[in-house]
Amino acid sequence: DTGVSQNPRHKITKRGQNVTFRCDPISEHNRLYWYRQTLGQGPEFLTYFQNEAQLEKSRLLSDRFSAERPKGSFSTLEIQRTEQGDSAMYLCASSDTGYTEAFFGQGTRLTVV
Amino acid sequence: AQKVTQAQTEISVVEKEDVTLDCVYETRDTTYYLFWYKQPPSGELVFLIRRNSFDEQNEISGRYSWNFQKSTSSFNFTITASQVVDSAVYFCALSEARGGNQFYFGTGTSLTVIP
Repeated sequence: DTGVSQNPRHKITKRGQNVTFRCDPISEHNRLYWYRQTLGQGPEFLTYFQNEAQLEKSRLLSDRFSAERPKGSFSTLEIQRTEQGDSAMYLCASSDTGYTEAFFGQGTRLTVV
Repeated sequence: AQKVTQAQTEISVVEKEDVTLDCVYETRDTTYYLFWYKQPPSGELVFLIRRNSFDEQNEISGRYSWNFQKSTSSFNFTITASQVVDSAVYFCALSEARGGNQFYFGTGTSLTVIP
């Protein structure tokens, strides 16, 4: 396994459009996380899944954001009606159990123009 | 309140110098986990170390060493004989046993090693 994979790596979209990102975790990991990172800041937690169940969502995750993890494998993060403030790096990570280290993908950089 | 504080925003050192990156955390949990990650210019966060709250033993891995002190709520990271390849942003993170499973990251310390 080559690690956590995220697609696309870069996305430029016009304000008001919807975007969807995909994350493929390390295959044996049952936990999957989404984080957002803006310039000069550390990653901020958005949500996490254990298998297919979404167990926690941050207050940062507005109604325009939705995440899914069908069948406990890959995950998608959709942002509807994008705003300029959504411009950030979206990071996905996975781990095999709780409280162990998480392994991160290379991220998807979103630019809303 | 910020759970993880990395007071050093940027550090520059000359190659072969030693450098210590500071991390101070805040939690009410008795069981928690501390991490260090490296983020090189390519952007991917690379896991370096995990420590649980019951294990205060310091650890050394090659040129890297970590000093965990519960009495001062600190988990500092030292790079010995720094190299240009060590240039990156380093993040300290906390995960609490009662806080779900999210990682709380500090704001990072940008390290530049000058050849």
